[in-house]
Amino acid sequence: ETGVTQSPTHLIKTRGQQVTLRCSSQSGHNTVSWYQQALGQGPQFIFQYYREEENGRGNFPPRFSGLQFPNYSSELNVNALELDDSALYLCASSLAQGNEQYFGPGTRLTVT
Amino acid sequence: GQSLEQPSEVTAVEGAIVQINCTYQTSGFYGLSWYQQHDGGAPTFLSYNALDGLEETGRFSSFLSRSDSYGYLLLQELQMKDSASYFCAVRVLDDSGAGSYQLTFGKGTKLSVIP
Repeated sequence: ETGVTQSPTHLIKTRGQQVTLRCSSQSGHNTVSWYQQALGQGPQFIFQYYREEENGRGNFPPRFSGLQFPNYSSELNVNALELDDSALYLCASSLAQGNEQYFGPGTRLTVT
Repeated sequence: GQSLEQPSEVTAVEGAIVQINCTYQTSGFYGLSWYQQHDGGAPTFLSYNALDGLEETGRFSSFLSRSDSYGYLLLQELQMKDSASYFCAVRVLDDSGAGSYQLTFGKGTKLSVIP
């Protein structure tokens, strides 16, 4: 059974640029959630995808967008990067009604 | 919206017992989860309580009181490897009408286990 993987591991971008982060779900999981975790804070829910549709969203602006593909892998896109977007971005896969989320190792994004 | 309160730091001795409390205010509450995160690592699932009472999994137990909007994580026979951050998270029904659930995390409790 393959766990959740994310790429890249680290990324440095300049303010105003755009970034795409990728996530491969655990085998058999059809739901992917994305989180932003600032240093010393808990993960904050960005949005969730189920069967290629966004079906839940936290308090993040529209410049945060995503995709889920037929194989349940997912992308997080962030446009017009701001310094405050610097954080660890985590994706988590689960079954739609499952209680447990399986997190990937995260992508550390630094915006300068 | 949702809010969760948990202590920011706890220190305990190896072999001892420690309890990490979590209080929450939320609508659409379905359950309380606990996750462990080591420095530089990913959060890993520890437990989930949907009903009042105690759930035991090895050295870890979790408790929920829905009427008090309160829960706790109990760690017994502490080991050095238990030094990590522990997050409570409420599972709530997404208010977009999509019928999905989302997790809202607390800010975490950093547990330091000392010899």
